[in-house]
Amino acid sequence: SQTIHQWPATLVQPVGSPLSLECTVEGTSNPNLYWYRQAAGRGLQLLFYSVGIGQISSEVPQNLSASRPQDRQFILSSKKLLLSDSGFYLCAWSVMSGDQPQHFGDGTRLSIL
Amino acid sequence: GQSLEQPSEVTAVEGAIVQINCTYQTSGFYGLSWYQQHDGGAPTFLSYNALDGLEETGRFSSFLSRSDSYGYLLLQELQMKDSASYFCAGVSGNTPLVFGKGTRLSVIA
Repeated sequence: SQTIHQWPATLVQPVGSPLSLECTVEGTSNPNLYWYRQAAGRGLQLLFYSVGIGQISSEVPQNLSASRPQDRQFILSSKKLLLSDSGFYLCAWSVMSGDQPQHFGDGTRLSIL
Repeated sequence: GQSLEQPSEVTAVEGAIVQINCTYQTSGFYGLSWYQQHDGGAPTFLSYNALDGLEETGRFSSFLSRSDSYGYLLLQELQMKDSASYFCAGVSGNTPLVFGKGTRLSVIA
């Protein structure tokens, strides 16, 4: 069966520090991969998605970046965090066909101080 | 592009039936998905409607009307554990889902 791992679960970082969140998927090949951010009590904002290694589409211009160095690995990064980067970050995967459900990781709760 | 509208909050009594509506405006629409998210947790997939009509999965059912650009999630025999946020999401080919802003369901005794 397929599983998705996302870490860390919680993270507290000072303003201006770098960020690296990692997500890996097991049990499937060539998945579509996604990074979302969710502010408290709000909806899901798509940040990045990837349909293959090295292929990244950015939905929201900001100080975040994403990379997909391996087929089942998706990394969210920042060189200098802002206070507004606080939120709940979710990684998700789906089979390549667009009508298939997305499966989410457990999320990373990021607090910027 | 796509946009989906759903009520921000709904309250219902334990044991009752509740319907959460979702209207959408989209191009290249394939179908409508529903996700459940408990506080502090990740969204989980509930259902997907590609065709008009009602899809039933246990206590949960989902309906789609393409002609009306409208769908809904129906929850029967409500339980306290059904208190959560519910998101509709539009499916358009191999492009990412577009999520509604979510409906917070509160089930009261």
